[in-house]
Amino acid sequence: QVQLVESGGGVVQPGRSLRLSCAASGFTFTSFAVHWVRQAPGKGLEWVAVISDDGSSQSYAHPVKGRFTISRDNSKNTVYLQLDSLTTEDTAVYYCARAMVRGIIPSCHDYWGQGTLVSVSS
Amino acid sequence: EIVLTQSPGTLSLSPGERATLSCRASQTIRNGYLAWYQQKPGQAPRLVVYGPSRRAAGIPDRFSGSGFGTDFTLTISRVEPEDFAVYHCQQYGTSPPTFGGGTKVDLK
Repeated sequence: QVQLVESGGGVVQPGRSLRLSCAASGFTFTSFAVHWVRQAPGKGLEWVAVISDDGSSQSYAHPVKGRFTISRDNSKNTVYLQLDSLTTEDTAVYYCARAMVRGIIPSCHDYWGQGTLVSVSS
Repeated sequence: EIVLTQSPGTLSLSPGERATLSCRASQTIRNGYLAWYQQKPGQAPRLVVYGPSRRAAGIPDRFSGSGFGTDFTLTISRVEPEDFAVYHCQQYGTSPPTFGGGTKVDLK
């Protein structure tokens, strides 16, 4: 069965960094783009970033552009999200989600991980 | 970016009643690329309907999606106890993809 498992969340001070991981299994990882979507406490969903199936293309939401970096290691079936220069506004549960396409065009998501909580606080 | 407005904010229903959830976009959604997700407390979202009327795998046929242009609807023909949750709409026709603020369907 398809599984996406996030890890790497935690409590971090403003200005510091964190790296999230999303380990995938149960499907042909190299055939799908992967997105990160976040949800601040008690709020709605917000798209963060996407990486193409082969890792050659990425796209970011404006609030995180220049601070977050998405990458993937297809030999490990894992997608990463490097979070730098964190602010309190980045506090959220971060979900990885499988796209229904290969590239970085917008997509809906048929599988989601359980999420990992990032809390930015001094 | 396209702003999605969901209404009502909360829908209070009894089991067996019909639920009608609305998602209105600030501009036309290309190709009707609108999806609906169900989210229960402490859980990840689950895809319900996309495109805008295709049910996702494993979704019962009491769920249906419709609409075009800027106005879309998710209908639950007869609400079951397991349907009480928050429902989010998402447009994926134009970058960046955006989500609505959610509609909570709760027990009256």
